[in-house]
Amino acid sequence: GESVGLHLPTLSVQEGDNSIINCAYSNSASDYFIWYKQESGKGPQFIIDIRSNMDKRQGQRVTVLLNKTVKHLSLQIAATQPGDSAVYFCADTEISSGSARQLTFGSGTQLTVLP
Amino acid sequence: EAQVTQNPRYLITVTGKKLTVTCSQNMNHEYMSWYRQDPGLGLRQIYYSMNVEVTDKGDVPEGYKVSRKEKRNFPLILESPSPNQTSLYFCASSLSEGSAKYEQYFGPGTRLTVT
Repeated sequence: GESVGLHLPTLSVQEGDNSIINCAYSNSASDYFIWYKQESGKGPQFIIDIRSNMDKRQGQRVTVLLNKTVKHLSLQIAATQPGDSAVYFCADTEISSGSARQLTFGSGTQLTVLP
Repeated sequence: EAQVTQNPRYLITVTGKKLTVTCSQNMNHEYMSWYRQDPGLGLRQIYYSMNVEVTDKGDVPEGYKVSRKEKRNFPLILESPSPNQTSLYFCASSLSEGSAKYEQYFGPGTRLTVT
Protein backbone atom coordinates (compact mmCIF):
# COMPACT_ATOMS: atom_id res chain seq x y z
CA GLY A 1 0.00 0.00 0.00
CA GLU A 2 0.93 3.61 -0.11
CA SER A 3 2.95 5.10 2.70
CA VAL A 4 1.89 7.76 5.13
CA GLY A 5 4.73 9.76 6.55
CA LEU A 6 5.30 12.39 9.18
CA HIS A 7 7.34 15.54 8.67
CA LEU A 8 9.11 15.51 12.03
CA PRO A 9 9.95 12.57 14.24
CA THR A 10 10.10 14.66 17.46
CA LEU A 11 8.41 17.79 18.75
CA SER A 12 8.98 19.58 22.04
CA VAL A 13 6.58 22.24 23.32
CA GLN A 14 6.17 24.21 26.50
CA GLU A 15 3.27 23.32 28.76
CA GLY A 16 0.35 25.54 27.92
CA ASP A 17 1.44 26.22 24.34
CA ASN A 18 -0.34 24.85 21.31
CA SER A 19 1.13 21.85 19.47
CA ILE A 20 0.92 21.13 15.77
CA ILE A 21 1.81 17.70 14.47
CA ASN A 22 1.99 17.25 10.72
CA CYS A 23 1.45 14.31 8.42
CA ALA A 24 1.78 13.82 4.66
CA TYR A 25 -0.03 11.06 2.82
CA SER A 26 0.64 9.85 -0.69
CA ASN A 27 -2.51 8.01 -1.72
CA SER A 28 -4.79 10.52 -3.42
CA ALA A 29 -7.65 8.01 -3.17
CA SER A 30 -7.57 8.02 0.63
CA ASP A 31 -10.78 9.44 2.02
CA TYR A 32 -10.62 8.73 5.71
CA PHE A 33 -7.95 9.71 8.21
CA ILE A 34 -7.36 9.00 11.87
CA TRP A 35 -5.02 10.29 14.53
CA TYR A 36 -3.88 7.93 17.27
CA LYS A 37 -2.01 8.68 20.49
CA GLN A 38 0.37 6.14 21.97
CA GLU A 39 1.63 6.66 25.49
CA SER A 40 4.74 4.87 26.67
CA GLY A 41 4.06 1.19 27.34
CA LYS A 42 0.51 1.31 26.01
CA GLY A 43 -1.30 0.57 22.80
CA PRO A 44 -2.44 3.32 20.42
CA GLN A 45 -5.59 5.17 21.39
CA PHE A 46 -8.04 6.74 18.92
CA ILE A 47 -8.10 10.55 19.16
CA ILE A 48 -10.03 11.94 16.25
CA ASP A 49 -10.91 11.17 12.65
CA ILE A 50 -11.86 13.12 9.56
CA ARG A 51 -13.37 12.27 6.21
CA SER A 52 -12.19 13.77 2.95
CA ASN A 53 -15.42 15.75 2.51
CA MET A 54 -14.33 17.92 5.44
CA ASP A 55 -11.29 20.14 5.89
CA LYS A 56 -11.54 20.64 9.63
CA ARG A 57 -12.89 18.76 12.59
CA GLN A 58 -12.70 19.70 16.24
CA GLY A 59 -12.70 17.61 19.36
CA GLN A 60 -11.92 18.35 22.94
CA ARG A 61 -8.69 20.44 22.79
CA VAL A 62 -7.79 18.82 19.47
CA THR A 63 -8.41 19.91 15.90
CA VAL A 64 -7.58 18.01 12.75
CA LEU A 65 -7.04 19.88 9.50
CA LEU A 66 -7.05 18.22 6.12
CA ASN A 67 -5.64 19.74 2.95
CA LYS A 68 -6.44 17.37 0.11
CA THR A 69 -4.75 19.56 -2.48
CA VAL A 70 -1.31 18.94 -1.01
CA LYS A 71 -2.23 15.69 0.74
CA HIS A 72 -1.44 17.03 4.17
CA LEU A 73 -2.98 16.36 7.55
CA SER A 74 -2.29 18.09 10.85
CA LEU A 75 -3.27 17.62 14.45
CA GLN A 76 -3.47 20.68 16.66
CA ILE A 77 -3.51 20.30 20.42
CA ALA A 78 -4.54 23.39 22.37
CA ALA A 79 -2.99 24.27 25.72
CA THR A 80 -0.69 21.26 25.69
CA GLN A 81 -0.48 19.42 28.99
CA PRO A 82 2.10 16.97 30.39
CA GLY A 83 -0.37 14.15 29.78
CA ASP A 84 -0.21 14.90 26.08
CA SER A 85 3.36 13.62 25.92
CA ALA A 86 3.17 10.59 23.64
CA VAL A 87 3.79 9.37 20.13
CA TYR A 88 1.13 10.50 17.66
CA PHE A 89 0.32 8.51 14.52
CA CYS A 90 -1.73 9.43 11.53
CA ALA A 91 -3.33 6.72 9.41
CA ASP A 92 -5.32 6.69 6.20
CA THR A 93 -7.55 4.39 4.22
CA GLU A 94 -10.28 4.32 1.60
CA ILE A 95 -13.73 3.45 2.89
CA SER A 96 -15.92 4.78 0.10
CA SER A 97 -14.40 2.58 -2.59
CA GLY A 98 -15.52 -0.56 -0.83
CA SER A 99 -12.00 -1.92 -1.05
CA ALA A 100 -10.62 -4.08 1.71
CA ARG A 101 -7.60 -1.83 2.15
CA GLN A 102 -6.77 -1.48 5.78
CA LEU A 103 -5.30 1.44 7.65
CA THR A 104 -1.82 2.57 6.64
CA PHE A 105 0.03 4.09 9.56
CA GLY A 106 2.79 6.66 9.60
CA SER A 107 5.90 6.11 11.67
CA GLY A 108 4.85 8.54 14.40
CA THR A 109 5.91 11.83 16.00
CA GLN A 110 7.15 11.91 19.59
CA LEU A 111 5.61 14.90 21.39
CA THR A 112 7.37 15.99 24.57
CA VAL A 113 5.78 18.60 26.81
CA LEU A 114 8.30 20.67 28.73
CA PRO A 115 7.44 22.07 32.18
CA GLU B 1 -14.42 -2.49 31.63
CA ALA B 2 -14.24 -2.62 27.84
CA GLN B 3 -10.79 -3.77 26.87
CA VAL B 4 -8.48 -5.81 24.69
CA THR B 5 -6.11 -8.07 26.57
CA GLN B 6 -2.95 -9.75 25.34
CA ASN B 7 -0.80 -12.44 26.89
CA PRO B 8 2.02 -12.63 27.52
CA ARG B 9 3.09 -9.01 27.76
CA TYR B 10 6.76 -9.94 27.45
CA LEU B 11 8.34 -13.02 25.92
CA ILE B 12 11.90 -14.06 25.20
CA THR B 13 12.26 -17.21 23.14
CA VAL B 14 14.68 -19.02 20.86
CA THR B 15 14.62 -19.48 17.13
CA GLY B 16 12.28 -22.23 15.99
CA LYS B 17 10.31 -22.69 19.19
CA LYS B 18 6.61 -22.39 18.43
CA LEU B 19 4.72 -19.77 20.38
CA THR B 20 1.24 -18.30 20.62
CA VAL B 21 0.27 -14.81 21.71
CA THR B 22 -3.33 -14.65 22.84
CA CYS B 23 -5.73 -11.77 22.29
CA SER B 24 -9.17 -11.38 23.76
CA GLN B 25 -11.77 -8.60 23.63
CA ASN B 26 -14.94 -8.18 25.67
CA MET B 27 -16.75 -5.67 23.43
CA ASN B 28 -18.42 -8.14 21.06
CA HIS B 29 -16.45 -6.67 18.18
CA GLU B 30 -16.55 -8.45 14.86
CA TYR B 31 -13.28 -7.08 13.54
CA MET B 32 -9.92 -8.03 15.04
CA SER B 33 -6.41 -7.43 13.82
CA TRP B 34 -2.75 -8.00 14.63
CA TYR B 35 -0.01 -5.42 14.07
CA ARG B 36 3.68 -5.32 14.64
CA GLN B 37 5.46 -2.11 15.53
CA ASP B 38 9.11 -1.54 14.67
CA PRO B 39 11.21 1.62 15.06
CA GLY B 40 10.88 3.90 12.07
CA LEU B 41 8.29 1.66 10.40
CA GLY B 42 5.19 2.42 12.43
CA LEU B 43 2.41 -0.11 12.74
CA ARG B 44 2.15 -2.76 10.07
CA GLN B 45 -0.77 -5.11 9.83
CA ILE B 46 -0.06 -8.84 9.98
CA TYR B 47 -3.51 -10.44 9.75
CA TYR B 48 -7.07 -9.39 10.30
CA SER B 49 -10.42 -11.05 10.80
CA MET B 50 -13.81 -9.67 9.81
CA ASN B 51 -15.68 -12.24 11.90
CA VAL B 52 -15.57 -15.80 13.21
CA GLU B 53 -13.80 -18.16 10.78
CA VAL B 54 -13.00 -15.24 8.44
CA THR B 55 -9.35 -14.21 8.34
CA ASP B 56 -7.17 -12.48 5.77
CA LYS B 57 -3.58 -11.39 5.28
CA GLY B 58 -2.42 -7.91 6.04
CA ASP B 59 0.76 -6.29 4.80
CA VAL B 60 3.32 -8.56 6.54
CA PRO B 61 1.79 -12.03 7.06
CA GLU B 62 4.87 -14.15 6.36
CA GLY B 63 5.87 -16.33 9.31
CA TYR B 64 2.56 -15.88 11.15
CA LYS B 65 -0.73 -17.72 11.46
CA VAL B 66 -3.99 -16.76 13.10
CA SER B 67 -7.30 -18.38 13.92
CA ARG B 68 -10.73 -17.04 14.82
CA LYS B 69 -12.78 -19.84 16.30
CA GLU B 70 -14.62 -17.57 18.71
CA LYS B 71 -15.65 -13.97 18.36
CA ARG B 72 -13.73 -12.75 21.39
CA ASN B 73 -10.37 -14.47 20.72
CA PHE B 74 -7.82 -13.98 17.97
CA PRO B 75 -4.51 -15.73 18.75
CA LEU B 76 -1.33 -15.04 16.81
CA ILE B 77 0.81 -18.10 16.16
CA LEU B 78 4.48 -18.16 15.25
CA GLU B 79 5.20 -21.73 14.13
CA SER B 80 8.97 -21.24 13.85
CA PRO B 81 10.00 -17.84 15.18
CA SER B 82 13.05 -16.13 13.76
CA PRO B 83 15.06 -13.14 15.04
CA ASN B 84 13.46 -10.83 12.44
CA GLN B 85 10.17 -11.36 14.24
CA THR B 86 11.53 -9.60 17.31
CA SER B 87 9.06 -6.75 17.66
CA LEU B 88 6.26 -5.16 19.63
CA TYR B 89 2.92 -6.75 18.75
CA PHE B 90 -0.51 -5.21 19.14
CA CYS B 91 -3.92 -6.75 18.86
CA ALA B 92 -6.85 -4.50 18.03
CA SER B 93 -10.60 -4.83 17.65
CA SER B 94 -13.49 -2.77 16.36
CA LEU B 95 -16.99 -2.91 15.01
CA SER B 96 -17.06 -3.91 11.38
CA GLU B 97 -19.44 -1.40 9.92
CA GLY B 98 -18.24 1.59 7.91
CA SER B 99 -15.86 3.98 9.55
CA ALA B 100 -16.36 2.30 12.92
CA LYS B 101 -14.13 -0.45 11.58
CA TYR B 102 -11.22 1.94 11.77
CA GLU B 103 -11.87 3.21 15.31
CA GLN B 104 -9.82 0.37 16.66
CA TYR B 105 -9.27 -0.45 20.30
CA PHE B 106 -5.74 -1.66 20.93
CA GLY B 107 -4.38 -4.05 23.49
CA PRO B 108 -1.39 -3.13 25.70
CA GLY B 109 1.15 -4.86 23.45
CA THR B 110 3.41 -7.91 23.63
CA ARG B 111 7.16 -7.40 23.50
CA LEU B 112 8.67 -10.42 21.76
CA THR B 113 12.38 -11.14 21.54
CA VAL B 114 13.62 -14.07 19.45
CA THR B 115 17.26 -15.02 20.00
